[in-house]
Amino acid sequence: AQSVTQLDSHVSVSEGTPVLLRCNYSSSYSPSLFWYVQHPNKGLQLLLKYTSAATLVKGINGFEAEFKKSETSFHLTKPSAHMSDAAEYFCVVSGGTNAGKSTFGDGTTLTVKP
Amino acid sequence: GAGVSQTPSNKVTEKGKYVELRCDPISGHTALYWYRQSLGQGPEFLIYFQGTGAADDSGLPNDRFFAVRPEGSVSTLKIQRTERGDSAVYLCASSLNAGGNGYTFGSGTRLTVV
Repeated sequence: AQSVTQLDSHVSVSEGTPVLLRCNYSSSYSPSLFWYVQHPNKGLQLLLKYTSAATLVKGINGFEAEFKKSETSFHLTKPSAHMSDAAEYFCVVSGGTNAGKSTFGDGTTLTVKP
Repeated sequence: GAGVSQTPSNKVTEKGKYVELRCDPISGHTALYWYRQSLGQGPEFLIYFQGTGAADDSGLPNDRFFAVRPEGSVSTLKIQRTERGDSAVYLCASSLNAGGNGYTFGSGTRLTVV
């Protein structure tokens, strides 16, 4: 069994300040973890992935995430928010016998204020 | 093709009617996935194919839903006797193979049952 909890449904930051989107996961197996972004009226885009290599994962657009097994967390961060980062972000877990079946969190809406 | 193509982009149908939603994955991708996204929620797994066969259909909500991928490329999601609760965005994704590398999503089909 696997599940994902995104701890904040909405996050609001000012442009130029750090972004933190929190994600906890549960998995019976060594998980693969992902973050996807969904801009309004656009398709889901893969930001980054963790697949049991380095625990600090760098993705596109300056985002990164750190896999912490002891805390079962995979939080998404960015040092400095841009207006274009405003979107919906989804944390996703898959793995084990569910390799082809990913479980999505409910999403976090990121608002960036000028 | 260059990306995952879904048609139609929008579909409005009357309650009780039959609908087909089409997905054309990236050429060479052996794994194909269907997800459903309701308003304000994360995508929910329906089914995935490895080649022509359905490797996991545990997410199909009931026997009104069926999907095929006869030649291992294009897939069709079929919904019989549609209900208003079936209204959602149906997302298709593909990947080189099933596993931990993440998906490429299409833009989705917005289904509205009136």
